[in-house]
Amino acid sequence: SQQGEEDPQALSIQEGENATMNCSYKTSINNLQWYRQNSGRGLVHLILIRSNEREKHSGRLRVTLDTSKKSSSLLITASRAADTASYFCATDDQGAQKLVFGQGTRLTINP
Amino acid sequence: DTEVTQTPKHLVMGMTNKKSLKCEQHMGHRAMYWYKQKAKKPPELMFVYSYEKLSINESVPSRFSPECPNSSLLNLHLHALQPEDSALYLCASSPQTSGGLDEQFFGPGTRLTVL
Repeated sequence: SQQGEEDPQALSIQEGENATMNCSYKTSINNLQWYRQNSGRGLVHLILIRSNEREKHSGRLRVTLDTSKKSSSLLITASRAADTASYFCATDDQGAQKLVFGQGTRLTINP
Repeated sequence: DTEVTQTPKHLVMGMTNKKSLKCEQHMGHRAMYWYKQKAKKPPELMFVYSYEKLSINESVPSRFSPECPNSSLLNLHLHALQPEDSALYLCASSPQTSGGLDEQFFGPGTRLTVL
């Protein structure tokens, strides 16, 4: 089942600006994760936020989770050209042993 | 060693060929996964192995046959594939078998083209 939907589908900004991506999901979750994928490569785990957490930071990344709205956001501050990638949110499928990925946001950082 | 390796990186095969994709991890992870990813789409789960036993098959056609010979290795055997099976095949592992409760570590993928 499709859990996460992401917004926007594509985002293009100038280097140094902040980038914000949003993710909405449908059912109750135990946690929500964000992954990055450079073109044609494997996914890299960025951050995991549990359902009882509201905000989490990791370096230039800030993730928020609003379980009442079933939504999460990923903020990348002071963007760099190397941040150009696709970003996916992923939620645990309740009771099942798997992650379900959102459609992803393609982020382009222009130098 | 904190990485998942996959071989080959690229594979081109005809519809009558039999080939295998290989995945390896040495992190002691107990769960391993196969995903299929089409261009500009998210990864789609195919199979989950938990403690070397198949625990989830997402209704994948029988022309894809997974195998977990031991806790470090995961294979995907391919036979009589169709051109629409062309995709990036990703392997992943996670420490526990609770699936979505853990961070998953992904390999670089095998780019498969079926002619």
